[in-house]
Amino acid sequence: AQSVTQPDIHITVSEGASLELRCNYSYGATPYLFWYVQSPGQGLQLLLKYFSGDTLVQGIKGFEAEFKRSQSSFNLRKPSVHWSDAAEYFCAVGAQGNEKLTFGTGTRLTIIP
Amino acid sequence: GAVVSQHPSRVICKSGTSVKIECRSLDFQATTMFWYRQFPKQSLMLMATSNEGSKATYEQGVEKDKFLINHASLTLSTLTVTSAHPEDSSFYICSARKGTASDTYEQYFGPGTRLTVT
Repeated sequence: AQSVTQPDIHITVSEGASLELRCNYSYGATPYLFWYVQSPGQGLQLLLKYFSGDTLVQGIKGFEAEFKRSQSSFNLRKPSVHWSDAAEYFCAVGAQGNEKLTFGTGTRLTIIP
Repeated sequence: GAVVSQHPSRVICKSGTSVKIECRSLDFQATTMFWYRQFPKQSLMLMATSNEGSKATYEQGVEKDKFLINHASLTLSTLTVTSAHPEDSSFYICSARKGTASDTYEQYFGPGTRLTVT
């Protein structure tokens, strides 16, 4: 069975600073990996996804993520955060032939001036 | 785009009554729709997967007689919480997939419905 671990429950970053949110997955074959963002009381918005090919994936809002098979990781990065990036971030894993997504427990991002 | 709507956004109902939540894909046909439940400050828990015209597949531990799912068309799925109790209070989120090919694998999420049972 596939699983996702987001080790950081809450991260606080200064506006303008760089950001890295960690995600580790467990799956036997090549996973499909996703990052979603959720603002309070809202649904989830897809930031980026990895299916195959280039392991560095560019997403919306200036986010990127890198798939590292050797580390079973898919960390999300942004070079300079904005106050509007404050939200909950979820990493999710899927697999070919299995349409379900498994979500991590989420990382809450707080931005300070 | 791929827009998914949910209605209502908030609902308060009395214990013992039933409430229906609608999930619509507005600009695409959704071959598969998913229903999730999210508790405060927690992750999403998949409740069921529904395909148009067929019975929903429920996750282990989810009562199919309590959470009725109907996927009558390629753009509409409904979740009915029957005989609701306060413990059913939660944030319910639906999502939809455009197709079955791997390049349509991502799910597009609705804005969620906050259910409060009094």
